[in-house]
Amino acid sequence: AQSVTQLDSQVPVFEEAPVELRCNYSSSVSVYLFWYVQYPNQGLQLLLKYLSGSTLVESINGFEAEFNKSQTSFHLRKPSVHISDTAEYFCALNNFNKFYFGSGTKLNVKP
Amino acid sequence: EAQVTQNPRYLITVTGKKLTVTCSQNMNHEYMSWYRQDPGLGLRQIYYSMNVEVTDKGDVPEGYKVSRKEKRNFPLILESPSPNQTSLYFCASFHSGSSYEQYFGPGTRLTVT
Repeated sequence: AQSVTQLDSQVPVFEEAPVELRCNYSSSVSVYLFWYVQYPNQGLQLLLKYLSGSTLVESINGFEAEFNKSQTSFHLRKPSVHISDTAEYFCALNNFNKFYFGSGTKLNVKP
Repeated sequence: EAQVTQNPRYLITVTGKKLTVTCSQNMNHEYMSWYRQDPGLGLRQIYYSMNVEVTDKGDVPEGYKVSRKEKRNFPLILESPSPNQTSLYFCASFHSGSSYEQYFGPGTRLTVT
């Protein structure tokens, strides 16, 4: 069975501080992994993805995630957050055309 | 503009009254999917479609129906809505064989009383 676990439902952080949003997955086969961001009252937008190749993937706005097969993790990190990063973040996996999402982590960036 | 549209955006209905939520994409995507979002549960896949006339169940298909008669449209049908189907629904699509980048619609907030 496939599943995605996001350990933190909320992460408060001050502006310009680093942040890590944790994601662990469970799957018996190879998967594709994704991070999506949802701003208030909007749909989801793809932030970054791991399909194959380099285990470190980056987004255009400074986020990065590292695929760790041995720890079955795909944690999202940013070295310095901005107020505009306040949103809910979802980790997801794709396996045989089905998608499984985590329960989400609300990132609250404080001034 | 490339987009996924959903209608209606908001709907309040009563138990047992059949309803349809429409989804349309203008990107010629093969893959389309429906999700429901509930607090603390994230998104759960209801149904997906790999192409016209090809549909399959996601994680939570009970109480829902779908059809894919045209490539651009993927309506979600609730034959007899119940209060536990009160939720925020998202439609999404992507081009099969590409980067798996799903494009999401704006969402439909459904309340069943």
